Amino acid sequence: DQQVKQNSPSLSVQEGRISILNCDYTNSMFDYFLWYKKYPAEGPTFLISISSIKDKNEDGRFTVFLNKSAKHLSLHIVPSQPGDSAVYFCAARLSNTGKLIFGQGTTLQVKP
Amino acid sequence: SQTIHQWPATLVQPVGSPLSLECTVEGTSNPNLYWYRQAAGRGLQLLFYSVGIGQISSEVPQNLSASRPQDRQFILSSKKLLLSDSGFYLCAWTRDRVDYGYTFGSGTRLTVV
Repeated sequence: DQQVKQNSPSLSVQEGRISILNCDYTNSMFDYFLWYKKYPAEGPTFLISISSIKDKNEDGRFTVFLNKSAKHLSLHIVPSQPGDSAVYFCAARLSNTGKLIFGQGTTLQVKP
Repeated sequence: SQTIHQWPATLVQPVGSPLSLECTVEGTSNPNLYWYRQAAGRGLQLLFYSVGIGQISSEVPQNLSASRPQDRQFILSSKKLLLSDSGFYLCAWTRDRVDYGYTFGSGTRLTVV
């Protein structure tokens, strides 16, 4: 079963606007949630994370929101830039093993 | 500084041929190491992980195997490749900071023809 889901395979936004990427999870044993950014033919790079005891974490243009009751998290990018165009993976860390479970990814395209 | 190296970057292999992908980590000791695969249009699937020399855990049954002959070396192998083994293979290790998750290598694009 898919414990971490990104239901939108793709998203297109205009430069300067907000990009909102969503992620849902089913397991209550996750202690951290992370977002990774991936360009073609490269490994994913860490973007931002949030502890399960928090509901918001902000780093520059990137903010992650966690709604534990809904088992939902989102990544907000404001303002979006063309260089943000990439595949974004949501991941959740299992508290007992430390393993990361990844979503399917969302391809973001920011149009100039 | 801590770095992860993965090679080769691209590989084209015929069906039935063997496979060996190598990953090494520098600047740390006793890291947790992982092999992931990204198949076309799909997410990142954990294949193997290792918490120490000679300790390998397999996440999914498949045509591949992994070995960890040295503390900072992780190898992904196959005796006979299948077409379905094509994909983008990523090695990763766990950093000291749990909130950073994994650090990934640059990946290997494997095409089985």
